[in-house]
Amino acid sequence: GIQVEQSPPDLILQEGANSTLRCNFSDSVNNLQWFHQNPWGQLINLFYIPSGTKQNGRLSATTVATERYSSLYISSSQTTDSGVYFCAVGSPQGGSEKLVFGKGTKLTVNP
Amino acid sequence: SQTIHQWPATLVQPVGSPLSLECTVEGTSNPNLYWYRQAAGRGLQLLFYSVGIGQISSEVPQNLSASRPQDRQFILSSKKLLLSDSGFYLCAWSRVRLASYNEQFFGPGTRLTVL
Repeated sequence: GIQVEQSPPDLILQEGANSTLRCNFSDSVNNLQWFHQNPWGQLINLFYIPSGTKQNGRLSATTVATERYSSLYISSSQTTDSGVYFCAVGSPQGGSEKLVFGKGTKLTVNP
Repeated sequence: SQTIHQWPATLVQPVGSPLSLECTVEGTSNPNLYWYRQAAGRGLQLLFYSVGIGQISSEVPQNLSASRPQDRQFILSSKKLLLSDSGFYLCAWSRVRLASYNEQFFGPGTRLTVL
């Protein structure tokens, strides 16, 4: 099945700093989502982005399907951005509805 | 708007006891429904998914089963819990596939501890 790797596994920032999280996948995808898991465990949808670029406030995401990666960019980070960020993909072979998750990037933003 | 509920929020159960976790979705009809488990180490794993009443697909062999008795209700069960069943269980839904759009939305989760 498709493999998903996220980097870095852990990231510590000072408030106000910018960061880029990376998601690499091993096969073509027709579904890609970025999530933020808050301290209570809730998965918050950030982007549905199987291709292209999207922006939402301080967050933006880009997926280059031909190069098999997606990036999540966080600008001017805030303490509330802390948590684990997951990339999840679905493929035509495996079924776009069957999301395969990476292991996540744990982000800590210090005041 | 659509809402997804899970209960209970937390559960502590002895080894060998039965399990029933419930998930319901409001504000949509004929959704795809999913059960995921998140064990220590952060990754989520798809356990079951359903495209309709009574239609269940299992993704991994395990001690658990799923049922969909109603259109917007998804139940995760076990007859006898194992220690390895401990984890955070999340239910998710998505609209029936339309032009390959299949964004999934997750419920608040149930934290299960088996002692």
